[in-house]
Amino acid sequence: QKEVEQNSGPLSVPEGAIASLNCTYSDRGSQSFFWYRQYSGKSPELIMFIYSNGDKEDGRFTAQLNKASQYVSLLIRDSQPSDSATYLCAVMNYGGSQGNLIFGKGTKLSVKP
Amino acid sequence: KAGVTQTPRYLIKTRGQQVTLSCSPISGHRSVSWYQQTPGQGLQFLFEYFSETQRNKGNFPGRFSGRQFSNSRSEMNVSTLELGDSALYLCASSLDGQGYSPLHFGNGTRLTVT
Repeated sequence: QKEVEQNSGPLSVPEGAIASLNCTYSDRGSQSFFWYRQYSGKSPELIMFIYSNGDKEDGRFTAQLNKASQYVSLLIRDSQPSDSATYLCAVMNYGGSQGNLIFGKGTKLSVKP
Repeated sequence: KAGVTQTPRYLIKTRGQQVTLSCSPISGHRSVSWYQQTPGQGLQFLFEYFSETQRNKGNFPGRFSGRQFSNSRSEMNVSTLELGDSALYLCASSLDGQGYSPLHFGNGTRLTVT
């Protein structure tokens, strides 16, 4: 069974700080990585994807990938209370009983005003 | 471009009944996946359909079934409902479910079984 692990949190940061969310995965052959944001009672929303080692920036979000260490992280700069949500890490799996994407259980982020 | 549309948004059923949920994928997307989400359990994969064929199936009992139509719209059915089936059911579509094709989720159907 392939696994994606995330710290469940809650991770609490003050407004304006950098929030750092981490994810590790078990399948060394994984190629595609995704971050979803899920507000309470809502469905997951894709916010970032990364395929190559290194950093990828999109506005206040930066995804970091290190395939050798099998981890992917998401940095949120200048955190806002509206960023308070659960962040799901997902790894492409190409099917099977776990589906095409394997999801972590999510890290709950709370940004305090 | 319209997103993934799920209907209905809310359902209340009693034990033993059956329910059918509907999903319309993003135009051009041919892969539709279904997930169950309950508090503390995360997203649990139910099944994936591609070109009207079930391509992958998760570890759920046979009471859970689905199908996909030629226009890529999909339905899932749960028969003989149990209290434990109360959950948020999410449909997600992608271009082909492979490679670098991310999933895009609908708003979900919240099912309550009493």
